[in-house]
Amino acid sequence: QVQLQESGPGLVKPSETLSLTCVVSGYSISSGYYWSWMRQPPGEGLEWIATINHRGTTYYNPSLKSRVSISVDTSNNQFSVKLNFVTAADTGMYYCARYRAPGFYFDYWGQGTLVTVSS
Amino acid sequence: QSALTQPPSASGSPGQSVTISCTGTSGDVGGYNYVSWYQHHPGKAPKLIIYEVTQRPSGVPDRFSGSKSGNTASLTVSGLQAEDDADYYCASWAATSYFFGTGTKVTVL
Repeated sequence: QVQLQESGPGLVKPSETLSLTCVVSGYSISSGYYWSWMRQPPGEGLEWIATINHRGTTYYNPSLKSRVSISVDTSNNQFSVKLNFVTAADTGMYYCARYRAPGFYFDYWGQGTLVTVSS
Repeated sequence: QSALTQPPSASGSPGQSVTISCTGTSGDVGGYNYVSWYQHHPGKAPKLIIYEVTQRPSGVPDRFSGSKSGNTASLTVSGLQAEDDADYYCASWAATSYFFGTGTKVTVL
């Protein structure tokens, strides 16, 4: 069974960089597929942030592209996201997931990690 | 382009059916057969229940079905059960990005 677990600091100061890691178990990232990050601000819907494949090819939400970077670490079977210059609007639940393409859907998700941006 | 539009809420009694709409544009929902649906119980990992408009992953009951007409996709939950009480999100590929719906809270009365 594929499982994903997010981790990262629960509190980040405005203007700093948010860094999150997703550890994958039950499947080797180097075997293929794509890996993604999403977020959900309080009381709002889900927003796709970025996707990466096992070779390191990246895809970014155009609205966040200038502040986001996604990376993969196949040796530790994990992938990460960094979001620069955060503001209160970046507060929310952050989820990682496995992404299937073609088909374009997320078949396994983590439970999410709450990030609050506050001084 | 922005989030896909869903009704904020829907409800039904056990055994009844509920249908949730997901309206986009010709650039996303209407342009591709890549609509997916996710069930989310707060505090848990979201769960894929429909992909490619009508396909059900293994293990998802056939009470869940998907369809699409033009720029609007729909999810129908038949024979509502208590465990179907959750948030539901649609999503669609859109060539250069990926959009989720605004979410629908389904309440089993």
